[in-house]
Amino acid sequence: AQSVTQPDIHITVSEGASLELRCNYSYGATPYLFWYVQSPGQGLQLLLKYFSGDTLVQGIKGFEAEFKRSQSSFNLRKPSVHWSDAAEYFCAVGEAAGNKLTFGGGTRVLVKP
Amino acid sequence: DTAVSQTPKYLVTQMGNDKSIKCEQNLGHDTMYWYKQDSKKFLKIMFSYNNKELIINETVPNRFSPKSPDKAHLNLHINSLELGDSAVYFCASSHPNRGYGYTFGSGTRLTVV
Repeated sequence: AQSVTQPDIHITVSEGASLELRCNYSYGATPYLFWYVQSPGQGLQLLLKYFSGDTLVQGIKGFEAEFKRSQSSFNLRKPSVHWSDAAEYFCAVGEAAGNKLTFGGGTRVLVKP
Repeated sequence: DTAVSQTPKYLVTQMGNDKSIKCEQNLGHDTMYWYKQDSKKFLKIMFSYNNKELIINETVPNRFSPKSPDKAHLNLHINSLELGDSAVYFCASSHPNRGYGYTFGSGTRLTVV
C-alpha cells in the first residue's frame, strides 16, 4: 500500500529566508506526486505535481520540488518565503491507473517577520 | 465561478441526527471524491465516484452514504451522527486526461454536539 511521510510537523522560518519541506513516499510503481497548500479555513490548492520527465518541477507561487527516486523523496522548496506562505502543506502520492491520492500528515509553516 | 462548491460551509448538529452535505463541480471532471480531515489535519479518502459509479469505498461506517445523481454532483449523507464524525469534509474532483491533481472544495466543518 502506498504511504507518505512528512517528517516535520511544524517549521518556523523568517520572512525572506529559504524553505524546504520534506516528503518521503512508499509506492511500488512509478508514483504520481503532488504538493498541496491549505490556508486556514480553506480548501487545498495544488502547488505542483510530478508524473514523469524532468525531476525538478516548477509550481505556482514560486515553489519547486525535486523528485529523487533513489531516496523516495519529493521535497518542496522556495528560495524566499513571504508572510502569505504561512499555511499547512501536504504531500500526496497517487496511483498511476486510479485516482486515489494518499496524503502525508502535513507540515505547518509559520513565517516570522 | 466556483469550480468545486460545497454546502453548507458549517454544520452544527446533535448526536443521532441525519444530515447531508452537497457538492457540485463545474469543471467537467469525471471523478469526484469525499475526504475527511480530522482534528490533526490528517486527510483520508472516504469515497470516489467516476461517472456516477462508485469506484473507491474505504473503510467507512455504513452510516455514511454517498450519492451521485450525475457526474457533476456527489452528495454525502450521514445517518445517526456521532461525536466522532466531527471533522472537516472535503469534496474534490479530478480528470485523468487533464493531468490528475484534484480540485478541492473549501470544505464543510461538521460539529456534532
